[in-house]
Amino acid sequence: EDQVTQSPEALRLQEGESSSLNCSYTVSGLRGLFWYRQDPGKGPEFLFTLYSAGEEKEKERLKATLTKKESFLHITAPKPEDSATYLCAVQAFGGATNKLIFGTGTLLAVQP
Amino acid sequence: DTGVSQNPRHKITKRGQNVTFRCDPISEHNRLYWYRQTLGQGPEFLTYFQNEAQLEKSRLLSDRFSAERPKGSFSTLEIQRTEQGDSAMYLCANNEQFFGPGTRLTVL
Repeated sequence: EDQVTQSPEALRLQEGESSSLNCSYTVSGLRGLFWYRQDPGKGPEFLFTLYSAGEEKEKERLKATLTKKESFLHITAPKPEDSATYLCAVQAFGGATNKLIFGTGTLLAVQP
Repeated sequence: DTGVSQNPRHKITKRGQNVTFRCDPISEHNRLYWYRQTLGQGPEFLTYFQNEAQLEKSRLLSDRFSAERPKGSFSTLEIQRTEQGDSAMYLCANNEQFFGPGTRLTVL
């Protein structure tokens, strides 16, 4: 069964303190791995898609990397406005749809 | 703002009542998904449309749930005889990049 596990469940950082969020996955065949940011009471906001091991993508203070078993979201010198829940999801080959299977997220709090 | 809109944003109902949610996607994307998200969890897949055809339904979608996408444009999700366990955020997505703001359902 396809599965996504995110760690840690919650992370508290000081402003400027860099860290990484982990997303471990088990999938029959990976079509894509997605990262989202979600603010309270809102829908997920798309950040990145990664398709193959070794791929990296960056956006401002965020950098996502992918291996055959996990993905990391690196946050460099975070600011309080980076506080949110970060969701990881995988999309598998096969089947009638490209549905996403989500992890439970990492709640990030960045303190000034 | 992703361009995907959902209405209503909030719905409070009594157990046993029927509710209907609407999703208006970005017109040029033909893939439309419904997900359900409870507090502290990631979104869970409910159903998928390609244009007007409903191609997959999750086993989470009991016979009290029905979804439609007439003419491949907007979509509706109806829940009949609501139960307290139906309380959640219902999210609509136009392919993988564009999620709507969600409809928060509270069943009393």
